Amino acid sequence: DSGVTQTPKHLITATGQRVTLRCSPRSGDLSVYWYQQSLDQGLQFLIQYYNGEERAKGNILERFSAQQFPDLHSELNLSSLELGDSALYFCASSSPTRSDTQYFGPGTRLTVL
Amino acid sequence: AQSVTQPDIHITVSEGASLELRCNYSYGATPYLFWYVQSPGQGLQLLLKYFSGDTLVQGIKGFEAEFKRSQSSFNLRKPSVHWSDAAEYFCAVGAYNQGGKLIFGQGTELSVKP
Repeated sequence: DSGVTQTPKHLITATGQRVTLRCSPRSGDLSVYWYQQSLDQGLQFLIQYYNGEERAKGNILERFSAQQFPDLHSELNLSSLELGDSALYFCASSSPTRSDTQYFGPGTRLTVL
Repeated sequence: AQSVTQPDIHITVSEGASLELRCNYSYGATPYLFWYVQSPGQGLQLLLKYFSGDTLVQGIKGFEAEFKRSQSSFNLRKPSVHWSDAAEYFCAVGAYNQGGKLIFGQGTELSVKP
């Protein structure tokens, strides 16, 4: 158990819908990272937050957005969902003193029908 | 562009046999390198990491990896594989000039024969 929690574990929804994925980092960690794992693209970095501020952006679609709240939990919002958005979404966190090492949560499996 | 290549998509070894999973990277600066393991239905667990210093690093579960700058490689090894090692293994490089994201290889799926 890495100490990073993600909810829900599974999510099944329809095309065009909007969902919110939630992540709580390890105690003391200030950075949160979101990754998408799909069969065709592999593991891709989406976005990073540090203490509430966006720090880096990767291959994140405009239909997707994220934020980190004052209690440091983070949410990834996916809207206008398409079949191709079906994937495993991981959250990771890192500490301010060892930001070079990320610890991953168990992931949220999103299925878009 | 930074990238990580894992040439073997799938490897099968017999239980008790030795294992080597290959990883090659392309990165302009001194890389931070990682190996993660993903068991079915599970998240990614950190096996080991290399930042600097001794090029042979030890990790959890009896795994080790060797950084070879001249070959741009960071291969993962285990002297004797156990059935519980069956999983998918990912090599990653830390792109710290881009905010700290990890760039992952495509993964190598390991099957273990009894």
